[in-house]
Amino acid sequence: QVQLQESGPGLVKPSETLSLACAVSGGSISTYYWSWFRQPPGKGLEWIGYIYNSGSTNYNPPLKSRATISADTSRNQFSLNLNSVTAADTAVYYCARGGSWAGAATLIDYWGQGALVTVSS
Amino acid sequence: DIVLTQSPGTLSLSPGERATLSCRASQSISSRSLAWYRQKPGQAPWLLIYDASTRAAGIPDRFSGSGSGTDFTLTISRLEPEDLAVYYCQQYGSSQGTFGQGTKVEIK
Repeated sequence: QVQLQESGPGLVKPSETLSLACAVSGGSISTYYWSWFRQPPGKGLEWIGYIYNSGSTNYNPPLKSRATISADTSRNQFSLNLNSVTAADTAVYYCARGGSWAGAATLIDYWGQGALVTVSS
Repeated sequence: DIVLTQSPGTLSLSPGERATLSCRASQSISSRSLAWYRQKPGQAPWLLIYDASTRAAGIPDRFSGSGSGTDFTLTISRLEPEDLAVYYCQQYGSSQGTFGQGTKVEIK
């Protein structure tokens, strides 16, 4: 059974960088596609980007200039950095596992529980 | 970019009734790469249907998906109280996984 767990600060100041990590157990991050999503309070889901093959990435165009996803295979975890944050980036952030091939990269079968990040001074 | 529009916004039904949720795409979705998720309050989404009509592991047969091209439907044949949730459709055929805005199912 694959399990994912997000960790990181729950409060980030405007203009600073939001940093989250996702620890994966029950499976290797060297296979499959691994994504970050977010969900502002009371709103819908937004895909941020994914990493695969432990280093190749793809991002949602509106966030591409600010988001970076990286992987640490020795710790079997992957991370999200989102810079220059504003209040609009306040959301629950989810890490998740997608399929094993490009056509199902964002078809998610396992999700983390989610981490609320608030952007406020 | 493909835009998904779900309707209705809210569905209020009694236990045992049939729920029909719609998802319309702004352009044809290739290979029927359309999924449905259920998100209960305070929880992460949960995969129900993929490839438009294939139930995910452990999903009961009262959930069914249909459609192709630009029009897709999720049907819950007999609503149970635990089905209180927001339901999202998602296209995953392009390099980005875009979601509809969700349909909230309320149980009377």
